[in-house]
Amino acid sequence: GQNIDQPTEMTATEGAIVQINCTYQTSGFNGLFWYQQHAGEAPTFLSYNVLDGLEEKGRFSSFLSRSKGYSYLLLKELQMKDSASYLCAVPYSGAGSYQLTFGKGTKLSVIP
Amino acid sequence: DTGVSQDPRHKITKRGQNVTFRCDPISEHNRLYWYRQTLGQGPEFLTYFQNEAQLEKSRLLSDRFSAERPKGSFSTLEIQRTEQGDSAMYLCASSLGGQGGGYTFGSGTRLTVV
Repeated sequence: GQNIDQPTEMTATEGAIVQINCTYQTSGFNGLFWYQQHAGEAPTFLSYNVLDGLEEKGRFSSFLSRSKGYSYLLLKELQMKDSASYLCAVPYSGAGSYQLTFGKGTKLSVIP
Repeated sequence: DTGVSQDPRHKITKRGQNVTFRCDPISEHNRLYWYRQTLGQGPEFLTYFQNEAQLEKSRLLSDRFSAERPKGSFSTLEIQRTEQGDSAMYLCASSLGGQGGGYTFGSGTRLTVV
């Protein structure tokens, strides 16, 4: 089976840096996704990691360690608009499957 | 292309009624997915189409649920004899080719069963 763990909530200050962690267990690894979801809206794609290491995209970076079953999303120079839920997801490991298993999401609140 | 469109955005129905939702994916995307999301949870997979073929179905998709994608274009998700536990956001997503690009989600249909 597959299991994903993320913190339920986090609070950070505008302008600061925040790291959102995700640990996963999966029988076959096919990459890890991060999505952002504002309240009442659809999830939007942020990043996809399949190899170990850090990938940077502007203010957002995502890190993966396959040996540790661990990823994190790093948000720099936080803005109020970054207040959202951040979802970690892994593809189902079954052959020919394209479904994603999502974590419950981490609700980030950015305060002034 | 305006992305993935879902209709309606909101639906309130009485328990026991049937409801149908529509999803129009990004036109060049051959893969289409339905997910369900309840408050405080991540999206849960329901079913997946490649073109017109329904290739995966979750155990969550009871026999009251049916999905179609005629001609490999838009898709419909029907729930028969709705129950209060069906209240959720129903999300449609589409993708092209491999998974690296991720899905593009629609804005969802929020179903409330009263």
